Amino acid sequence: KAGVTQTPRYLIKTRGQQVTLSCSPISGHRSVSWYQQTPGQGLQFLFEYFSETQRNKGNFPGRFSGRQFSNSRSEMNVSTLELGDSALYLCASSLSWSAYEQYFGPGTRLTVT
Amino acid sequence: GENVEQHPSTLSVQEGDSAVIKCTYSDSASNYFPWYKQELGKRPQLIIDIRSNVGEKKDQRIAVTLNKTAKHFSLHITETQPEDSAVYFCASEVTGANNLFFGTGTRLTVIP
Repeated sequence: KAGVTQTPRYLIKTRGQQVTLSCSPISGHRSVSWYQQTPGQGLQFLFEYFSETQRNKGNFPGRFSGRQFSNSRSEMNVSTLELGDSALYLCASSLSWSAYEQYFGPGTRLTVT
Repeated sequence: GENVEQHPSTLSVQEGDSAVIKCTYSDSASNYFPWYKQELGKRPQLIIDIRSNVGEKKDQRIAVTLNKTAKHFSLHITETQPEDSAVYFCASEVTGANNLFFGTGTRLTVIP
């Protein structure tokens, strides 16, 4: 089976712009979670989707949003980018509707200048 | 909310020695505890996990132990090899939360 894929792998944006990141889960996985990884804050949970429904959201501002499509692919959007949004954004998928056996994608490295 | 603490932050061992990384969690409703290995520039890779109804689990050179009463779990790597060098993260899932809370990571260096 193909693993979790994310596009694009690298992105450079300017403050104030918006960005959309994409994640394709492992075939058959219906749960997709997004995490932000930074050297200072580590791995922090953004949100989780199952069957196109957001079931859980982390402690991030409303500028961070996401959605999931009927084929389980997911996108996350960050509006009005700030310098502090520079990070590695990881998505992870799992088969069931818990975090059991979550497998990560390679991440999208976002740099905000 | 759940808080996961991980120690040590860095660990250096000689090749062939054992390495132990420890984590504590705060929410007694946590029921699933995975460990991830992240090599430089790579994605976190699930290496072993344990559910709350099990006290220990082994997979070749790695093992995880869980003490629910004390709310701590540990990763044990025996006969370490240079390719074990990476950052290791522990995590927990609170029942029904559908997401993982991660520790701050341990940078393991295996010296040949």
